[in-house]
Amino acid sequence: AQTVTQSQPEMSVQEAETVTLSCTYDTSESDYYLFWYKQPPSRQMILVIRQEAYKQQNATENRFSVNFQKAAKSFSLKISDSQLGDAAMYFCAYRSARLGDNYGQNFVFGPGTRLSVLP
Amino acid sequence: DTGVSQNPRHKITKRGQNVTFRCDPISEHNRLYWYRQTLGQGPEFLTYFQNEAQLEKSRLLSDRFSAERPKGSFSTLEIQRTEQGDSAMYLCASSPGRGRFSNQPQHFGDGTRLSIL
Repeated sequence: AQTVTQSQPEMSVQEAETVTLSCTYDTSESDYYLFWYKQPPSRQMILVIRQEAYKQQNATENRFSVNFQKAAKSFSLKISDSQLGDAAMYFCAYRSARLGDNYGQNFVFGPGTRLSVLP
Repeated sequence: DTGVSQNPRHKITKRGQNVTFRCDPISEHNRLYWYRQTLGQGPEFLTYFQNEAQLEKSRLLSDRFSAERPKGSFSTLEIQRTEQGDSAMYLCASSPGRGRFSNQPQHFGDGTRLSIL
């Protein structure tokens, strides 16, 4: 079974600075997807960025980018020019790319990192 | 896109009572998921539907839990004889199905927070 680990329960960053959130995962599969989701307090989870394992190029989405190291099974999230609105729980998630309707395609989530942004 | 809708937002009940939650996925999504999230943790997978068929259930889904999606649209999650340990946020998510949508992320609802007294 796949597992996702986020070793930083809490992180803080000064507004306008850069912060990196860590994520490692364990899988025996070669093809999969990785995601970072953001969950603000009392609000729904929203997608921040995703990475296909077969792609060597790191995904980028505006101020958010990832450092995907497939051999090391590492998938960190970098937030540049941090804003107050970035404060939230951040979850790293894994999903298999195996095909077939009987395979749930469910996400395996890490425990999360709570990010605080200091003004 | 009206998003994934969950009702109620918050349910408070006494231990031993039965509760039912509803999820309305995004209309064109045929995959629907239920997760449970406890405070300070990431969501844990409970069950998955492809249209009306329940194709996968987690071992977390004990006999007291049942989920349905009778017409392949909305879904309900029922917990019978609730226990203290059932207190959690129950999240519903949906995603498109086959083909080029197979790598699409899941869209989450706001969740139903269950509190057992």
